[in-house]
Amino acid sequence: EVQLLDSGGGLVQSGGSLRLTCAASGFTFSSHAMSWVRQAPGKGLEWVSSISPSDGTTFHADSVKGRFTISRDNSKNTLYLQMNSLRAEDTAVYYCAKSGGITYYSPFDYWGRGTLVTVSS
Amino acid sequence: DIVMTQSPDSLAVSLGERATINCKSSQTVLYSSKNKNYLAWYQQKPGQPPKLLIYWASTRESGVPDRFSGSGSGTDFTLTISSLQAADVAVYYCQQYFTSPPTFGQGTELEIK
Repeated sequence: EVQLLDSGGGLVQSGGSLRLTCAASGFTFSSHAMSWVRQAPGKGLEWVSSISPSDGTTFHADSVKGRFTISRDNSKNTLYLQMNSLRAEDTAVYYCAKSGGITYYSPFDYWGRGTLVTVSS
Repeated sequence: DIVMTQSPDSLAVSLGERATINCKSSQTVLYSSKNKNYLAWYQQKPGQPPKLLIYWASTRESGVPDRFSGSGSGTDFTLTISSLQAADVAVYYCQQYFTSPPTFGQGTELEIK
């Protein structure tokens, strides 16, 4: 059974940092692109970042570029999102999401439960 | 970026009736050489993460009831629930994964009339 356990959210002041973690199990982690998708309170879904399975190629939304860094450790089946220079508009539930294929040009077929990040101004 | 626009924003349908949600992309999401539309539909119930229902515009994810179907090509797509059940109350999102960045529609809230 595929499981994605995302954690690391919390309350942080504007300008602060947080590191989100997603522990994956139940599939070959090193064979799938992984992503973070966020959802502001009462709002829709917004893609944040993606990372390729093995060569570490990363992609970030313009809204977080230069502030957020996605990474992965295939030996630990773990995905990360380092978030720096946090702003109030980054307040959201952050979901870890698995791509159905090797590239992130595929649907998100499994999602974590989400971890809430609240940035106070 | 490809803009995804869903209609309507909210929808109330009687139990057992058909529900139809539309999604329009600002550019084609059809990869012609593969004849595949890079379009997915998700269902999100309150307090839960999204769940993949449909991908490649019309392929039902394993375990999804056959009352859910997807259709369309190019820039215009539809999610149809043939006979609405109480368990289908949720927000539905379309998403394109044809180009970077992947983008979602604004969501359609489906409720029981």
